[in-house]
Amino acid sequence: DADVTQTPRNRITKTGKRIMLECSQTKGHDRMYWYRQDPGLGLRLIYYSFDVKDINKGEISDGYSVSRQAQAKFSLSLESAIPNQTALYFCATSDSGTSGYNEQFFGPGTRLTVL
Amino acid sequence: QKEVEQDPGPLSVPEGAIVSLNCTYSNSAFQYFMWYRQYSRKGPELLMYTYSSGNKEDGRFTAQVDKSSKYISLFIRDSQPSDSATYLCAPSTGNQFYFGTGTSLTVIP
Repeated sequence: DADVTQTPRNRITKTGKRIMLECSQTKGHDRMYWYRQDPGLGLRLIYYSFDVKDINKGEISDGYSVSRQAQAKFSLSLESAIPNQTALYFCATSDSGTSGYNEQFFGPGTRLTVL
Repeated sequence: QKEVEQDPGPLSVPEGAIVSLNCTYSNSAFQYFMWYRQYSRKGPELLMYTYSSGNKEDGRFTAQVDKSSKYISLFIRDSQPSDSATYLCAPSTGNQFYFGTGTSLTVIP
């Protein structure tokens, strides 16, 4: 089984709908992240969490919210989806204790389309 | 100014060629310099990392960092079709981390 899983893998929704993307990990890592990837813009950080009680905004948090339900679970919500939130979304994890370079392990991605 | 600048390509080379991928960065606090590789329809995976300035070699791959000019390079020798992917540079302080936009590479058999 994959160490970092994301559900759903693909989602098509309409403008104004609330959407939740879920991420689970079995790596035992304390840090979790949400990114979106757009052509020509690369990976951009939305939110990150260094432990269960820690939530931080990233570069592009407007229009998004997150919840860290447990060390292994980190969900991303779009309260009212809009078309420019159409993108590929990645969850990632890292372990603060193992190395200074903080290698991140990515999930397979969720392709979200907002019509 | 962006924290990291990377030429998006695309880059197309024949099999066996030497490939050079590059990034520039602006934050002098970066200490760790990573390269991630992303295959189509997959998440990025760490390929190599270096700490501070210098070179690091791993098989056909060499990562190079010049902190004085804030320049990061990844060289691929004897490129193979299986190297076809997007390569993202990712400088970091350990807690702060940024990704380049990625360079798309295609190695033609």
